Amino acid sequence: NAGVMQNPRHLVRRRGQEARLRCSPMKGHSHVYWYRQLPEEGLKFMVYLQKENIIDESGMPKERFSAEFPKEGPSILRIQQVVRGDSAAYFCASSPGELNTGELFFGEGSRLTVL
Amino acid sequence: AQSVTQPDIHITVSEGASLELRCNYSYGATPYLFWYVQSPGQGLQLLLKYFSGDTLVQGIKGFEAEFKRSQSSFNLRKPSVHWSDAAEYFCAVGARGSQGNLIFGKGTKLSVKP
Repeated sequence: NAGVMQNPRHLVRRRGQEARLRCSPMKGHSHVYWYRQLPEEGLKFMVYLQKENIIDESGMPKERFSAEFPKEGPSILRIQQVVRGDSAAYFCASSPGELNTGELFFGEGSRLTVL
Repeated sequence: AQSVTQPDIHITVSEGASLELRCNYSYGATPYLFWYVQSPGQGLQLLLKYFSGDTLVQGIKGFEAEFKRSQSSFNLRKPSVHWSDAAEYFCAVGARGSQGNLIFGKGTKLSVKP
């Protein structure tokens, strides 16, 4: 059984470029969450999505960041015009239902480096 | 404001020794509580969780944690540490009815010496 799959595992971008991070949830999971981990920090919630819906984006920066979870295909976290401060590990997690029914299953993360 | 505090940034214990990692939280109501472990370059794995009921919860890999409402704490313990336990440990809280918006502590890095 495949777990949460994230790609790419490592991504290098120059300032001003776009970064796209993909996440395929565990089979049977319909809830996807994105978290960001800055160096020496814990994870910070960014966004929670269900298929074709953004449920909670209270942790998303107001500009340059967007997320989607289309009916078909993986969830995408998109960062436009990246800056050095965007360098971080971005983790995707999934769950079969809302959090109070179980745990979050995390992927191995995508590590973004902005030069 | 809601927050999670892990006071110890880095702990070193000898293999076979007991371990306690501290976690304190500030929350408006009784939250859901979690401990996750992260090995270098890896994602997070759930060790254990507290939702309700018995305040002493057992997890995987021989870990346990005790929820103490009066102290707003959820400390993680293991009676005998193995070298493979070296990793970073994160405490997290979530609101009942939460939509996956967990608040994580900054983590405690555990080193194990032979």
